[in-house]
Amino acid sequence: EVVMTQSPATLSVSPGERATLSCRASQSVNSDLAWYLQKPGQAPRLLIYGASTRASGIPARFSGSGSGTEFTLTVSSLQSEDFAVYYCQQYSFWPRTFGQGTKVEIK
Amino acid sequence: QLQESGPGLVKPSETLSLTCTVSGGSITSYYWSWIRQPPGKGLEWIGYMYYRGSSNYNPSLKSRVAISVDTSKNQFSLNLNSVTAADTAVYYCVRLGSLNWFDPWGQGTLVTVSS
Repeated sequence: EVVMTQSPATLSVSPGERATLSCRASQSVNSDLAWYLQKPGQAPRLLIYGASTRASGIPARFSGSGSGTEFTLTVSSLQSEDFAVYYCQQYSFWPRTFGQGTKVEIK
Repeated sequence: QLQESGPGLVKPSETLSLTCTVSGGSITSYYWSWIRQPPGKGLEWIGYMYYRGSSNYNPSLKSRVAISVDTSKNQFSLNLNSVTAADTAVYYCVRLGSLNWFDPWGQGTLVTVSS
C-alpha cells in the first residue's frame, strides 16, 4: 500500500501566522490527494481535494499544492478555529491511505 | 447527513455491527464507506460498498469485514467479526465521493472491545 508521511508531527504557530504542512507519498499519486482537518472530539472535515481544490465552504486562507510524491498545505493566517490535526489522504491506489497527521497547536 | 448507530461495547471474538443512516439524499446515488480511528491514533479506511453490489475492502481487514446496503431504509452497515482489543476505535460512516475523497462524515461512534 501507499504510505503517506506527514511532517512535522507537531507545529507550533502563533495566531495570525502562516502554517506550512507537508505530506509525502511513498510512490507517485499524481494529484490524487486530499487534506482534512480534525478538531478534538469531532469527525474530520474535507478541506482540499485534487491536491489544490478547496472543498465547498472552505476559506481561501487554506491552499494546497504539489503533485507526484510531495504535497503542501498552507494556512495563510491561522485563526483560532484552525488549531487542530490535519491529515492527508491519497486516492490514487487501493487501499485508500492517510498520513499519521500533523497537529497544529498554539505557540 | 450521516448518523452511526450500534453497540458501544463488544466482547472479544464476537462481531461488531454498526449501521449508518443517510438522510438528505438517496443512498443509491453514491458510494459509502467506513473509516475507523483508534483512540489517539490516525485514520484507517475499512472499505466501501455501492448499492449495486460493487465493493472493496482494506486487505488488512478483508477476511473479517462485510459492508452491506439497505436501500429500503437508506442505510448501510458494517460487520467486523472476530474482534479483539485492537479493533477498539471510533468508527465513522462516510460518503466516498467519486471513489476518491471522503465527504461528508458521520459524527462517529466509539466501539470498545472488552470482556
